Amino acid sequence: NAGVMQNPRHLVRRRGQEARLRCSPMKGHSHVYWYRQLPEEGLKFMVYLQKENIIDESGMPKERFSAEFPKEGPSILRIQQVVRGDSAAYFCASSPQFRGGENTIYFGEGSWLTVV
Amino acid sequence: AQSVTQLDSQVPVFEEAPVELRCNYSSSVSVYLFWYVQYPNQGLQLLLKYLSGSTLVKGINGFEAEFNKSQTSFHLRKPSVHISDTAEYFCAVSPFSGGYNKLIFGAGTRLAVHP
Repeated sequence: NAGVMQNPRHLVRRRGQEARLRCSPMKGHSHVYWYRQLPEEGLKFMVYLQKENIIDESGMPKERFSAEFPKEGPSILRIQQVVRGDSAAYFCASSPQFRGGENTIYFGEGSWLTVV
Repeated sequence: AQSVTQLDSQVPVFEEAPVELRCNYSSSVSVYLFWYVQYPNQGLQLLLKYLSGSTLVKGINGFEAEFNKSQTSFHLRKPSVHISDTAEYFCAVSPFSGGYNKLIFGAGTRLAVHP
């Protein structure tokens, strides 16, 4: 949605290279989520971060994947030694600080990773 | 744990016809319910959401959905579709939990509107 900025929009990597995907949340949002969409599938939750903290990484593959959201700068999803199965669309979403009740999240336009 | 089942992977329909996209969910705890739309090579846009209160929820672009607790369903409807409604539609749930939306998505329904 408007406001959550992801880059690059498209990324091609050879097997074994590293992929770095960046996400700048909407203005005023301090919470970031990463989701992965494999071809012909729905989105799967990967990780939820607040500034400088990983809160929930239950959807992250155990190896090669890491995420951070530093005090300054965008959130980064890093995939080391990419394999063809990592080819997917990676979506970032953000939300404001929780103040009770439902906390709507807003999605970026996605980063499409192709591993060749 | 939660799961979402979208009963139709593809729904073809003619322009100006009504459409219903079906969604059922399973959860041991209370959840919020959402419908998102995804146009080709784009991100997700929130169509509507059910948090509490009236079970009939109206969203953008003329869509509405009805929450049925006994049937654990949240079907999406539109009385008259347009060509521009052609897209992928995702139903999602989020459990009431510690302050953040951990969305669990269905596999999606591809709506194809034909002239």
